[in-house]
This record gives sequence, structure tokens and C-alpha cells, in this order.
Amino acid sequence: QKEVEQNSGPLSVPEGAIASLNCTYSDRVSQSFFWYRQYSGKSPELIMSIYSNGDKEDGRFTAQLNKASQYVSLLIRDSQPSDSATYLCAVMMNYGGSQGNLIFGKGTKLSVKP
Amino acid sequence: DTGVSQDPRHKITKRGQNVTFRCDPISEHNRLYWYRQTLGQGPEFLTYFQNEAQLEKSRLLSDRFSAERPKGSFSTLEIQRTEQGDSAMYLCASSGGYIQYFGAGTRLSVL
Repeated sequence: QKEVEQNSGPLSVPEGAIASLNCTYSDRVSQSFFWYRQYSGKSPELIMSIYSNGDKEDGRFTAQLNKASQYVSLLIRDSQPSDSATYLCAVMMNYGGSQGNLIFGKGTKLSVKP
Repeated sequence: DTGVSQDPRHKITKRGQNVTFRCDPISEHNRLYWYRQTLGQGPEFLTYFQNEAQLEKSRLLSDRFSAERPKGSFSTLEIQRTEQGDSAMYLCASSGGYIQYFGAGTRLSVL
């Protein structure tokens, strides 16, 4: 059973701080990794995708991937109250080289205090 | 393009009734996915289609669940003889590559 693990939180940070969200996965052959943001009662919204080891930056967001350690993280700089949401880590399954479904973690609830 | 569309947004039904949900993907996307999400959990994969072919359905929760995508465009997810445990958010996503875009979901409540 392929698994994605996240700390469910809640993670509370003050406004302007860096929020650090972590995720580990069990399937060594996984190649594609995603962070989705989900506001309460809404559907998941893609924040970042990452496919290679190292860092990928997009605005205030940085995704970090370490395939050897089977670890993915998301850093949110200058956190804002509007960043308060649940962050879902997802790993893509591959079927014979074709993209398949996503396996999600349970999500980490982030709260940014003004 | 208006994104992935799901209908209805909310469905309340009595136990034992059948329900059907519809998903219209982003028009140029050939892959369509169904997920279920319960409170406090991440989305759980159910099934997916590439064009009209259903490529993975072993994760459908029971034989009461079925899905179709008859012409490779919209898809339907049917739950027969609903049970209270079926109450959840049912999410549809579509993709033309690696990124999956989600619809707003259908929230099912089984009384």
C-alpha cells in the first residue's frame, strides 16, 4: 500500500513568518509531487509541482524534493492570514510510464495569526 | 474555458436510494479522475479514464459504485443503494498532462 504521510497539525505561525510543511512518501519509484491548498469546504487548488531533486521557487512558495530520503516540503515565506488552509501533499502514481492518479496525504492545517 | 464543472453541488438523499453525479472536464483534457474526500482526510482515488477508456477501477469502494465516460467528454459517477457511510465530498479532476485540476465537488449527505 503506497502511502503519503503528513503531520496533521494544526501548524500555527505568526503573520510574516516562514511556514514549513513536510511530507514523506513510501513509493521509491514516484517521480511527480504536488502541493495543493484547500480552504474549508472548497476543492483542492494546485500550489506547486516538483519533479526533480532540489528546490523550486514560485513567489512566496518554495517546494523542496529529496528523492533519496523520500521527502517533500513546502515553505511559505512572509505568511499571510489568507494562507490559512489545509495543505495537501500528493504523489502521482505511474502506470507503465503514463501518468496516473494522485495519492494524497491527510493534509496539514496551517493557521497564520495576524 | 471555465474549468472542471460538477453537478449537483449538493445532494441529500435517503439511505437506499441511487444517486448520480456529473463531471464536465476542461475541454482539451483527455484524462478524468474521480476522488472521494471525507472530513479530515485527503482525497481518496476511486477511478480514472483516458478518453472513454476506464483505466483503473479497482479502487472503487464497492460494486455499488460505477462510473462512465461514454464519449470521452463528460463522466458520471453512480452510487446504488446509498449508505450513510457514503456521505462525503466527491471530487472530479481532469488533466492533459501531469497537473490535475479539480472541480468544486459534489457534497453527498445520506440520511
